[in-house]
Amino acid sequence: DAKTTQPNSMESNEEEPVHLPCNHSTISGTDYIHWYRQLPSQGPEYVIHGLTSNVNNRMASLAIAEDRKSSTLILHRATLRDAAVYYCILRDVVREYGNKLVFGAGTILRVKS
Amino acid sequence: DTGVSQNPRHKITKRGQNVTFRCDPISEHNRLYWYRQTLGQGPEFLTYFQNEAQLEKSRLLSDRFSAERPKGSFSTLEIQRTEQGDSAMYLCASSSQMLGTEAFFGQGTRLTVV
Repeated sequence: DAKTTQPNSMESNEEEPVHLPCNHSTISGTDYIHWYRQLPSQGPEYVIHGLTSNVNNRMASLAIAEDRKSSTLILHRATLRDAAVYYCILRDVVREYGNKLVFGAGTILRVKS
Repeated sequence: DTGVSQNPRHKITKRGQNVTFRCDPISEHNRLYWYRQTLGQGPEFLTYFQNEAQLEKSRLLSDRFSAERPKGSFSTLEIQRTEQGDSAMYLCASSSQMLGTEAFFGQGTRLTVV
């Protein structure tokens, strides 16, 4: 499985933007970049995914480097409810049967009021 | 539809006992996954079903673990002769082959083996 590297933890102030980095230097051409987050005592929830172009949705934005070896999840205005573990996951939708998600340790995001 | 449902939410059992967990996926989803998560770690993949067929099993899944999805709808995960090392959160997720790549997770079953 292609690997990702994320900082163990990050801290943000409420109402400020947060940039969560992810390195994936061994990404293949058919790997999609997925982000999930896990709130305390909850199962993971989908945030966003992309292949090559930057993506926006109601929750966040995903900025993908031109060489695709890194990406950044952007929360435009962090709230206390965004405090969670954020997972960056590569998912090969062509070769990997069933498209299972392979989780790393993720980044613990703390939001200060 | 209220999402992926898992029961029970919590289970305490004595070492050596058998336990069974149930997962009800989102109704139109044909793919179902089981994961295990211990404190401070990300979820670890255990097994995957497409409809009623179990298509992939992790090497983490010892012979004491068995999962079924008999009618392609709900699934059960059974652990026989539980050990203290089985204590973890067991998560179920479902997704649709047709509707996209997003997986939806349940809230999990927390197992404590004493």
